[in-house]
Amino acid sequence: QVQLVESGGGVVQPGRSLRLSCAASGFTFSTYGMHWVRQAPGKGLEWVAVIWNDGSNKYYADSVKGRFTISRDSSKNTLYLQMNSLRAEDTAVYFCARDEDIGWGGYFDYWGQGTLVTVSS
Amino acid sequence: SSEVTQDPAASVALGQTVRITCQGDSLRSYFASWYRQKPGQAPVLVIFGKNNRPSGIPDRFSGSYSGNTASLTITGAQAEDEADYYCNSRDSSGSHVVFGGGTKLTVL
Repeated sequence: QVQLVESGGGVVQPGRSLRLSCAASGFTFSTYGMHWVRQAPGKGLEWVAVIWNDGSNKYYADSVKGRFTISRDSSKNTLYLQMNSLRAEDTAVYFCARDEDIGWGGYFDYWGQGTLVTVSS
Repeated sequence: SSEVTQDPAASVALGQTVRITCQGDSLRSYFASWYRQKPGQAPVLVIFGKNNRPSGIPDRFSGSYSGNTASLTITGAQAEDEADYYCNSRDSSGSHVVFGGGTKLTVL
């Protein structure tokens, strides 16, 4: 069965960096686009970034562009999100989600359980 | 980026029908998908494309479109349907994802 397991969250000071990971299993990782979606405490879902199955295309929300980098390693079946210059408003649960297609196909068919990132001094 | 908007809250009596809507210009060109999220849990896909349900989603969930509005209808709502519901679609460029703000559904 498809499983997505996020890790790497924690408490970090403003301006510092953090890298999130999402370990994928139960499907052929290299044939699907992958996304990061976040949810601030008590708030709605906010899309963060997408990466195509082969890493050829990456797109970011305006709120994180230039600070966050999405990447993937198909040899390890793992998705990453490198987050730099973190701000208090980046505090959220970060979910990884599988796209139904090789890139941004229109919907997310599987989600991980999320990892909490808290940006605070 | 273009936006999609949802009413923040809706309610339905047990066994009755409720429609949750998602509005946005991008919906004239692109399909929406719908997700159910219960407290402390990850979102779950309930409707995608024109009106498709993933396996395991009851047939009381359905989707429809009219103009710039996508709708999620629950026919015969059950207590376990109480949750937050989010729509998403593409922005005007087609390359970015947009989420609605979510609708909190209460089953009375």
